[in-house]
Amino acid sequence: QVQLQESGPGLVKPSETLSLTCTVSGGSISGYYWSWIRQAPGKRLEWIGYIYYSGGTNYNPSLKNRVTISIDSSKNQFSLRLTSVTAADTATYYCARVGDWNDLEYWGQGTLVTVSS
Amino acid sequence: DVVMTQSPLSLPVTLGQPASISCRSSQSLVYSDGNTYLNWFQQRPGQSPRRLIYKVSTWDSGVPDRFSGSGSGTDFTLKISRVEAEDVGVYYCMQGTHWPYTFGQGTKLEIK
Repeated sequence: QVQLQESGPGLVKPSETLSLTCTVSGGSISGYYWSWIRQAPGKRLEWIGYIYYSGGTNYNPSLKNRVTISIDSSKNQFSLRLTSVTAADTATYYCARVGDWNDLEYWGQGTLVTVSS
Repeated sequence: DVVMTQSPLSLPVTLGQPASISCRSSQSLVYSDGNTYLNWFQQRPGQSPRRLIYKVSTWDSGVPDRFSGSGSGTDFTLKISRVEAEDVGVYYCMQGTHWPYTFGQGTKLEIK
């Protein structure tokens, strides 16, 4: 069974960079698309972007200038960097594997990131 | 962006009774390949979302057959034939046709 686990700081200061890593176990990162999703308090779920195992990416235009998703197949990990964060970036961040129907077939447990000084 | 609108947002249901959630999109979800990329997720309290249904009506493995999905174009429905206690949670529809893919606001199902 494929499992995903997010890791990274739970508190980030305004204007700094949010960095999270997702570790995939129980299966290979190869051959799939991998995504980052977030949910701010009281808001709907939001796709941040996704990356193919070979490195191609697609980002939500609302975040495009601030977001980078990268992948390290040797470690079975992919990562999220979000620069110049504000309080509006406070959210639970999930990593997930993208299925054949642009769905999200496996999810991590989520990690709460708070942006505050 | 495609706006996904769910109704109702709150759904109190008696155990054993049916439940239905509507999801409407601001644009047709039929992709140029003829497929419709509409998915449903369940988020139980304290858990991350779980895929229930993909491609409008295909169950994920392990999903009870009391769940069913239907619809086309811009109008979709998730039905539960007989609600059980384990069905409590928030249900989301999500479109995977137009980037950025977008979610509905969520429908909170509770037991009456």
